[in-house]
Amino acid sequence: GAGVSQSPSNKVTEKGKDVELRCDPISGHTALYWYRQRLGQGLEFLIYFQGNSAPDKSGLPSDRFSAERTGESVSTLTIQRTQQEDSAVYLCASATGLAPYNEQFFGPGTRLTVL
Amino acid sequence: KQEVTQIPAALSVPEGENLVLNCSFTDSAIYNLQWFRQDPGKGLTSLLLIQSSQREQTSGRLNASLDKSSGRSTLYIAASQPGDSATYLCAVRSMSGGSYIPTFGRGTSLIVHP
Repeated sequence: GAGVSQSPSNKVTEKGKDVELRCDPISGHTALYWYRQRLGQGLEFLIYFQGNSAPDKSGLPSDRFSAERTGESVSTLTIQRTQQEDSAVYLCASATGLAPYNEQFFGPGTRLTVL
Repeated sequence: KQEVTQIPAALSVPEGENLVLNCSFTDSAIYNLQWFRQDPGKGLTSLLLIQSSQREQTSGRLNASLDKSSGRSTLYIAASQPGDSATYLCAVRSMSGGSYIPTFGRGTSLIVHP
């Protein structure tokens, strides 16, 4: 079946603009994660959604970052007033079954460049 | 707080060699450990998931072992091929890491040359 998809694949924006990144998880996957991967760095956890429970937002770096998810479907990550340090690859992963035992499947990522 | 270390950071080998990649973690009270590969400019592809009750998992030429007591996992790649060239990441889920939030290592960058 189809894997996790993300759009756009690349986004170039000017400092101060808002951007919205989209993630379509694998159908039926109740869990959804967002990560950030800066050049040469490890993956940073941003936010976790599990079904209809309140999301875990503990990884969001500032109040300029927010994410929404409608039920168990699409999620959007919004970055307001982008800064150059926001430049990174943003990865989404989905999983079925209960955390922490579930297996994560990743999308191809969105490469964000803030000029 | 869980910390995950991968050694070596980079590895270059000729085709056909058997390889061992290492992943170590500081808190042995883990739920599971997952190995991924990441190709340049791409997302992560899941290779193997080992639950805490398991000692190893195998998929094709890949074998991952888990020794919780020593805080280590190894990924063994048999008869390496140029197509195995990628960055290999391990991720651990543990109570100290936040249960459902994986702690990732920085990865081992592997180049297999013909």
